[in-house]
Parts: sequence; structure tokens; C-alpha cells
Amino acid sequence: EAGVVQSPRYKIIEKKQPVAFWCNPISGHNTLYWYLQNLGQGPELLIRYENEEAVDDSQLPKDRFSAERLKGVDSTLKIQPAELGDSAVYLCASSRGGGGQNIQYFGAGTRLSVL
Amino acid sequence: AQSVTQLDSQVPVFEEAPVELRCNYSSSVSVYLFWYVQYPNQGLQLLLKYLSGSTLVKGINGFEAEFNKSQTSFHLRKPSVHISDTAEYFCAARLQGGSEKLVFGKGTKLTVNP
Repeated sequence: EAGVVQSPRYKIIEKKQPVAFWCNPISGHNTLYWYLQNLGQGPELLIRYENEEAVDDSQLPKDRFSAERLKGVDSTLKIQPAELGDSAVYLCASSRGGGGQNIQYFGAGTRLSVL
Repeated sequence: AQSVTQLDSQVPVFEEAPVELRCNYSSSVSVYLFWYVQYPNQGLQLLLKYLSGSTLVKGINGFEAEFNKSQTSFHLRKPSVHISDTAEYFCAARLQGGSEKLVFGKGTKLTVNP
């Protein structure tokens, strides 16, 4: 079974430029998460999807960040415009469903450097 | 609100020595607890989990953890470490019957020296 796939693995951009990250969850997993991991910190949830619906986006900075999960499978996270402080690792995770004892499986992440 | 505290940011040990990585959580309700490992430039991999039942949980790569409700702790242990165990370890908690949100600690960098 393929794991969570993220691309690109690395991205270097200049500040004020837009950037997008893509995530393909494990087949059959209805729930998808985007996390932000700053250097030396644990991951922090940005947004959670149940199928196509964003059910928890309270930590997503909506002035510059947006996300979508069309068709309830792949997801894209976008930043426009990027700022220096956005340099971090963006992790995608998926789980079989909401509630109960579900386990979140993580992708390898996209490491963003904003210059 | 729940929170997770990893008491040591860095733990250096020699190969074949035992190790304990400490984790404490705070929550007014019951939680599920997890340990994840992150190797350099990789994502997080689940080491073990406590969902219910026995408080001693065994995971992959010879790791185990013990849930202690009275101490609100979930310390990770391994009796004999290898060089390949060098990585960042994250403790995480999720409320039972609540949000799906995983709350992570800041991580502990384990370095195993020859």
C-alpha cells in the first residue's frame, strides 16, 4: 500500500511569490490533514478535511493561505504571497476516518525556503 | 485545552545503552497517546500508540512506552539503542471523543554515539 505522497519535496522561492504544495493521501482515507512544522518544533495543524469539506481550519491564516480538496482525494495547499516567516516544513497526513481510534499517517513533507 | 510537554530537547546516549524519552500531557479528559519518529528529511512514522487496555505498549524497533494516568505521563523506552535510532521523537495526544486534532510536543532529538 502506497503511503501519503507529497510534492515537491523542496521548494525555494523569493518572498511575495506564490507557492503550492500537493498531497495524495493513502487510498481509502477520507480524512486529510495539513500540518506546519517550524524548525525545532512539533507539527501544528493548519486544516483538516473530511472528504471534500474543511471541518477544522481555525489555525489556517486565511489572509494568505488557502487549501482545497476537490473530489475528496488529492489536496493542494497554497500560500500567496509568501513571507520570510513561512519557511518551514509542510506535512500532509491522512487517516481512515474521523472519530474513534484512527491513526494519522504522514507524508515526507515539503520543505519551503522563502528568501 | 490539552498540551504535551517533552521534558528533554536533546538526549545523547552511547550505543547499546538504555534510553528513556519523557513525555507528559495535560488534559481534563481522557486522551489517546502516540509516539512518532522522524528521521532526517523524512515525515513522521508511528512508533506506538496507547488507545485503551494495557498501559504498557510495545511498538516497532524495540521501543515501548507506559501510560501512567496518575502521573499524566507516557514515557518512551528502549533497553538497548542502535546508531540507527538517531532521530527526532515526538509525543502526541488526542482527546477521546473530541476533535481529531493531534497536539504534539516539541520533540526530543536522540543522538546515539558509537
